[in-house]
Amino acid sequence: DMKVTQMPRYLIKRMGENVLLECGQDMSHETMYWYRQDPGLGLQLIYISYDVDSNSEGDIPKGYRVSRKKREHFSLILDSAKTNQTSVYFCASSPGTGESAETLYFGSGTRLTVL
Amino acid sequence: GQQVKQSSPSLTVQEGGISILNCDYENDMFDYFAWYKKYPDNSPTLLISVRSNVDKREDGRLTVFLNKSGKHFSLHITASQPEDTAVYLCAAGANQGGSAKLIFGEGTKLTVSS
Repeated sequence: DMKVTQMPRYLIKRMGENVLLECGQDMSHETMYWYRQDPGLGLQLIYISYDVDSNSEGDIPKGYRVSRKKREHFSLILDSAKTNQTSVYFCASSPGTGESAETLYFGSGTRLTVL
Repeated sequence: GQQVKQSSPSLTVQEGGISILNCDYENDMFDYFAWYKKYPDNSPTLLISVRSNVDKREDGRLTVFLNKSGKHFSLHITASQPEDTAVYLCAAGANQGGSAKLIFGEGTKLTVSS
């Protein structure tokens, strides 16, 4: 069963705390992504990872960092969370090859609230 | 600025009618275009996509039209049904050796009324 799994589903943190969002996929996809979704702004790309330890900034990387030590796992880290990082975070992966190379498979999202 | 833009935040269509969703993009290097569908509290899922070597693709009730010179693509849904009610996200990107750094529009909330 092809799946992208995000943990946790809901998270409440205080301003200044560190946040770790985890993402896993069981499809051996090379490319993985972190997006955030805010009302009226659609999905904004934070980081893209082309493979293990091969990460690239997206459009809004400030305040975030990522880690990909295994192909199936991609983590998003917020060091000292800010209230404007309250959002819904989506992880996604794509095959990278073949007819559907660019198709994104999304996780169910993590709703992060920073108080 | 917004590289991919959906100018209509919402659209209401009668059941059985044609829903037309529009998307404009800025980067003429984009060569991959897609529409994703998102229900509330769910993740986006791919509906249909096209590459820049075609200007139209049909799949059942869905048709994507691509106008490269106008930097515009659209999704037409014929015989619209209440279950088509959802947020539709357009996305565009440039293929980079198999991966595309997809840029999404803001989304259009489609409501199909019965």
